[in-house]
Amino acid sequence: GESVGLHLPTLSVQEGDNSIINCAYSNSASDYFIWYKQESGKGPQFIIDIRSNMDKRQGQRVTVLLNKTVKHLSLQIAATQPGDSAVYFCAESQDNNDMRFGAGTRLTVKP
Amino acid sequence: DTGVSQNPRHKITKRGQNVTFRCDPISEHNRLYWYRQTLGQGPEFLTYFQNEAQLEKSRLLSDRFSAERPKGSFSTLEIQRTEQGDSAMYLCASSRGQHNGYTFGSGTRLTVV
Repeated sequence: GESVGLHLPTLSVQEGDNSIINCAYSNSASDYFIWYKQESGKGPQFIIDIRSNMDKRQGQRVTVLLNKTVKHLSLQIAATQPGDSAVYFCAESQDNNDMRFGAGTRLTVKP
Repeated sequence: DTGVSQNPRHKITKRGQNVTFRCDPISEHNRLYWYRQTLGQGPEFLTYFQNEAQLEKSRLLSDRFSAERPKGSFSTLEIQRTEQGDSAMYLCASSRGQHNGYTFGSGTRLTVV
């Protein structure tokens, strides 16, 4: 069936560098996407979302890019900080249905 | 509003026992979702409610699982005759409706021994 997944299970970056976390999705009918951050022992925390009628959306230090042609989603974190260390999930939904999550990427920020 | 609240935070139970978890969503959110998460995996959808109506159930939700949301406020998830494979983090989330990001609770970690 359709699924959401991530290219890399782990990502290690130096503090202050920019981070890029990628996500591939296979359901071309998905029309809403969200990035979540999950720290150990906590529930996922909303970071940023994007609708399928957009290609790019910016938040505070984060940018989400959506490429519908190749069904690819990315999360860019500028000036990565130690507090950004967590597991990041992309999630997608279609037609106002429930969100489906990928397996996650663990981001480690080295001081 | 303190966000989505889940109780208990941790539950250890013997195989074969029944357990019940509670979720209190953000008060103005009409949608409530249950997910299950195992170590190293993303959350897996179980079921969701719009107000008091249960609109969708995953195939993961076997006959031993039942969820309710009386009066469209808090929700309970019950697992009967627990099995070791039920050990996981059970996450609840709520949203205001269409195309709004979910707010998750901190989850209930279930360990079946």
